[in-house]
Amino acid sequence: GENVEQHPSTLSVQEGDSAVIKCTYSDSASNYFPWYKQELGKGPQLIIDIRSNVGEKKDQRIAVTLNKTAKHFSLHITETQPEDSAVYFCAARRGLGTYKYIFGTGTRLKVLA
Amino acid sequence: GAVVSQHPSWVICKSGTSVKIECRSLDFQATTMFWYRQFPKQSLMLMATSNEGSKATYEQGVEKDKFLINHASLTLSTLTVTSAHPEDSSFYICSAPFRAEPGDTQYFGPGTRLTVL
Repeated sequence: GENVEQHPSTLSVQEGDSAVIKCTYSDSASNYFPWYKQELGKGPQLIIDIRSNVGEKKDQRIAVTLNKTAKHFSLHITETQPEDSAVYFCAARRGLGTYKYIFGTGTRLKVLA
Repeated sequence: GAVVSQHPSWVICKSGTSVKIECRSLDFQATTMFWYRQFPKQSLMLMATSNEGSKATYEQGVEKDKFLINHASLTLSTLTVTSAHPEDSSFYICSAPFRAEPGDTQYFGPGTRLTVL
């Protein structure tokens, strides 16, 4: 069935360093890939997204890249700060006609001051 | 982005009672909403799709008689956990797609933590 694999499950970086989280999806019909940040006890918050007709998107310190051929996409956070510490989830959605997302298993990011 | 609220943010109940959780889209209309369940340190598990004016669609393995969903208006969906038991304790999160944006991005509520004693 459809699934999204996410790696690593945990990631610790020093403040100021970069963090990269990778996801691989199985459904070639997927065309929308959002990334969510979830802080403890809160709901997921959308931080960036990318559509299948784009290879890269950047928003300040956050960027997402997509390789449709390889069916993987990655989240890049530069100049990490302690407040970036959270759990990050990637997701994939199939084409128009469904709003359902398939979520990755999450990455717990710790930014060490 | 769009705002989705949930109420209550947390609830503690006795085993055998029913609990209702509300999900509201505050600044947009949502004919579809989603209900997720999340266990500690795990990902989000889709439970059901709430459809305004019609029956909810449940994911495989989710008991529809256990988790009653009502989507009575374009801004409100409710999830009722009936005859709750300790194993129903979890973090319940709703989401709604914001149709004004290309691709109908889903926005999530803050979640409701249910503890069944």
